[in-house]
Amino acid sequence: AQSVTQPDIHITVSEGASLELRCNYSYGATPYLFWYVQSPGQGLQLLLKYFSGDTLVQGIKGFEAEFKRSQSSFNLRKPSVHWSDAAEYFCAVGRSINTGTASKLTFGTGTRLQVTL
Amino acid sequence: EAGVTQFPSHSVIEKGQTVTLRCDPISGHDNLYWYRRVMGKEIKFLLHFVKESKQDESGMPNNRFLAERTGGTYSTLKVQPAELEDSGVYFCASSQAARNYGYTFGSGTRLTVV
Repeated sequence: AQSVTQPDIHITVSEGASLELRCNYSYGATPYLFWYVQSPGQGLQLLLKYFSGDTLVQGIKGFEAEFKRSQSSFNLRKPSVHWSDAAEYFCAVGRSINTGTASKLTFGTGTRLQVTL
Repeated sequence: EAGVTQFPSHSVIEKGQTVTLRCDPISGHDNLYWYRRVMGKEIKFLLHFVKESKQDESGMPNNRFLAERTGGTYSTLKVQPAELEDSGVYFCASSQAARNYGYTFGSGTRLTVV
């Protein structure tokens, strides 16, 4: 069974500082990996996804993530955080299409990001 | 295009009562999903509709939960009778094609059972 671990429940960074949110997954084959963000009162918004190819993926709002198969990780990064990035971030894994119909996602418990001015 | 709409946004009910949550997907999206996040825990898959048919309902916690999707359009999720552990945020998502995970999520319904 697939699983996702986000070890940091809550992270606080200063505006302008760099950010790295950790995500480790467990999956028996090559996974499809995602990062979502949820701002207060909003739905989950897709930041970026990895299916195959270049292991460094670029997303929206200046975020990027790197897939490291050897470490079973998919950490999210941003070089300079803005106050508007304060939100909750979720890493998720999905079954690769080659192993069946893509459908459900398995999410981590989320990391709440606080940005101080 | 309009997004995925869920209502109510909040619901507070007493233990033993019935609650019905509604999700209106993006028009033309055949795939509709329900997820739930219990306080402080991960977001968990409940079920997946393709049009009006249940493709995967492996995440439904028990028979107190009933999901329907009339005519392949909007979906309802009924909890009857509600228990305290049913409290959480219920998310709906829709996509045109399940194969590319092109989900659009709604903003969720926060259910509190007291």
